[in-house]
Amino acid sequence: AQKVTQAQTEISVVEKEDVTLDCVYETRDTTYYLFWYKQPPSGELVFLIRRNSFDEQNEISGRYSWNFQKSTSSFNFTITASQVVDSAVYFCALTNSGYALNFGRGTSLLVTP
Amino acid sequence: DTAVSQTPKYLVTQMGNDKSIKCEQNLGHDTMYWYKQDSKKFLKIMFSYNNKELIINETVPNRFSPKSPDKAHLNLHINSLELGDSAVYFCASSFGTGQEKLFFGSGTQLSVL
Repeated sequence: AQKVTQAQTEISVVEKEDVTLDCVYETRDTTYYLFWYKQPPSGELVFLIRRNSFDEQNEISGRYSWNFQKSTSSFNFTITASQVVDSAVYFCALTNSGYALNFGRGTSLLVTP
Repeated sequence: DTAVSQTPKYLVTQMGNDKSIKCEQNLGHDTMYWYKQDSKKFLKIMFSYNNKELIINETVPNRFSPKSPDKAHLNLHINSLELGDSAVYFCASSFGTGQEKLFFGSGTQLSVL
């Protein structure tokens, strides 16, 4: 069975602070894919990143960065110099080569001015 | 041009009624999905279709019947609506299997009174 745990339910930071959203996953598959999605207050789901299990390179995209560590089964997401527009619910998700994404319960991030 | 469009955006109805949600994608994807997001924001797969064929039916009550007339459409019909069906329903699509990123519709907020 696959499982994604996002232990942080809510995080509140002040603008310009750095914040890390944790994601821990469980799977017995050797081939799997990890994702992060953002759900702003408007409600849509926006894709942020996809990683396969054979690629442990960290990734940086502007103020966003991701740290994938198979040794700890973690795929953490860091926002540097947070902004009010980063306020959203962030979901980590996992799949093998199948047809369903298993989502974590999400972390609600509030960035205040 | 909306990539994945679902209608209606809001649906308010009485218990026991039958309702449908329509979904269309213009991305040329061959896999489409229905996800349910409950009041606590938890996202769970309901169905996935590949080339109009049902691939996943994730222990969804028989009252929910998806229909895929072609690759670009995946509609969701719900019979005998119950209070517990109140949720946001997201349609999504992707290339190939679920290992690729999902493009989500904007969601349908269903409220059963």
